[in-house]
Amino acid sequence: DAGVIQSPRHEVTEMGQEVTLRCKPISGHNSLFWYRQTMMRGLELLIYFNNNVPIDDSGMPEDRFSAKMPNASFSTLKIQPSEPRDSAVYFCASSLGDTSNQPQHFGDGTRLSIL
Amino acid sequence: ILNVEQSPQSLHVQEGDSTNFTCSFPSSNFYALHWYRWETAKSPEALFVMTLNGDEKKKGRISATLNTKEGYSYLYIKGSQPEDSATYLCAFNRGSTLGRLYFGRGTQLTVWP
Repeated sequence: DAGVIQSPRHEVTEMGQEVTLRCKPISGHNSLFWYRQTMMRGLELLIYFNNNVPIDDSGMPEDRFSAKMPNASFSTLKIQPSEPRDSAVYFCASSLGDTSNQPQHFGDGTRLSIL
Repeated sequence: ILNVEQSPQSLHVQEGDSTNFTCSFPSSNFYALHWYRWETAKSPEALFVMTLNGDEKKKGRISATLNTKEGYSYLYIKGSQPEDSATYLCAFNRGSTLGRLYFGRGTQLTVWP
């Protein structure tokens, strides 16, 4: 079975550019999570969708970050304009069900470097 | 923001040693506690999801216990092997936050051959 698929695996871009990260959750999973991993803060939740609807976006750092889930099999996380402090590994995860009694399955992550 | 504390921060053991680490979380409004294993350069992988006080789960040499009344969970590894080297994360959920998990910073385990 295919797991959570993220693209690109690596992205290097210059400050000020728009960055789009993509995620395909596991088929049938109806919860999707975007996380950011940094040395300073560990693994932090950015936004969480349930049945394609954003449920909790309190972790989105600022207006430069936006996320969409147009259908059950695709989500994007966009940063515009990007800044060097956005450099991190971004993970997408999905889980079955509406609550947390199911494990989350993580993608391989996107390593983002903003120069 | 909910505080999920893990200790120790890092641990070095010899192959064959048994080890354990702790995850502490708020005991009010508990819904679920997750354990994940995170190898370097890979993504977190689910080990256990625990929801009931007194729950014990086991997967091979790894087991976990849960005390929701006092707000802690222990993860045990029996007879550690070098391939057990990883960061072990716990994550806590309150039912009121639906699927949202609050992660601890993890315990980094290194097993020396």
